[in-house]
Amino acid sequence: GAGVSQSPSNKVTEKGKDVELRCDPISGHTALYWYRQSLGQGLEFLIYFQGNSAPDKSGLPSDRFSAERTGGSVSTLTIQRTQQEDSAVYLCASSLGGAGGYEQYFGPGTRLTVT
Amino acid sequence: AQKVTQAQTEISVVEKEDVTLDCVYETRDTTYYLFWYKQPPSGELVFLIRRNSFDEQNEISGRYSWNFQKSTSSFNFTITASQVVDSAVYFCALSEAPSGGSYIPTFGRGTSLIVHP
Repeated sequence: GAGVSQSPSNKVTEKGKDVELRCDPISGHTALYWYRQSLGQGLEFLIYFQGNSAPDKSGLPSDRFSAERTGGSVSTLTIQRTQQEDSAVYLCASSLGGAGGYEQYFGPGTRLTVT
Repeated sequence: AQKVTQAQTEISVVEKEDVTLDCVYETRDTTYYLFWYKQPPSGELVFLIRRNSFDEQNEISGRYSWNFQKSTSSFNFTITASQVVDSAVYFCALSEAPSGGSYIPTFGRGTSLIVHP
């Protein structure tokens, strides 16, 4: 079956522009996570969606970052007024449920470069 | 608060050597889950294994084995007879079962394994 997909795979943008990153989770997965991975670094949690519950936005680094998940499926991460420090790989993951015991399935990521 | 420490930043071995990747965790919960993920050079993280806190049985899958010890809060990963294809960054992760909170796994910073032919 299809895994988690993300688009675009690469995005180069100028400082100050807005960008939208898309994530298509595995069908039937109720939990969806966004992470950021800078070069050689671990995974930085950004935001978490579980079913119809309010998202956990505790990892968003600033109010320039926002995300939504429509219909419990596709999610979009938006970064407004991009800065050079936003350059990173943005990873999306989904899991079967929100309980802690479910493994995550990751997408290939979107590599964002802010010039 | 949960925490995962992977003290080894990078390990370099020659093919066919055995190698152990360390993972030490901190949690106050009695119910929790531990994971290992592999991130090959292509970049996509792949799930390897999950253990829950009530199951300390070690697990073996081919050349991979995992040693879970609650007494030392460790969940170490051993690759036997390493191969070049094992070259990747390996992440250990911990997920607690919160009371009313979100299930957000904490990842270690990863260990980069380089297997030379």
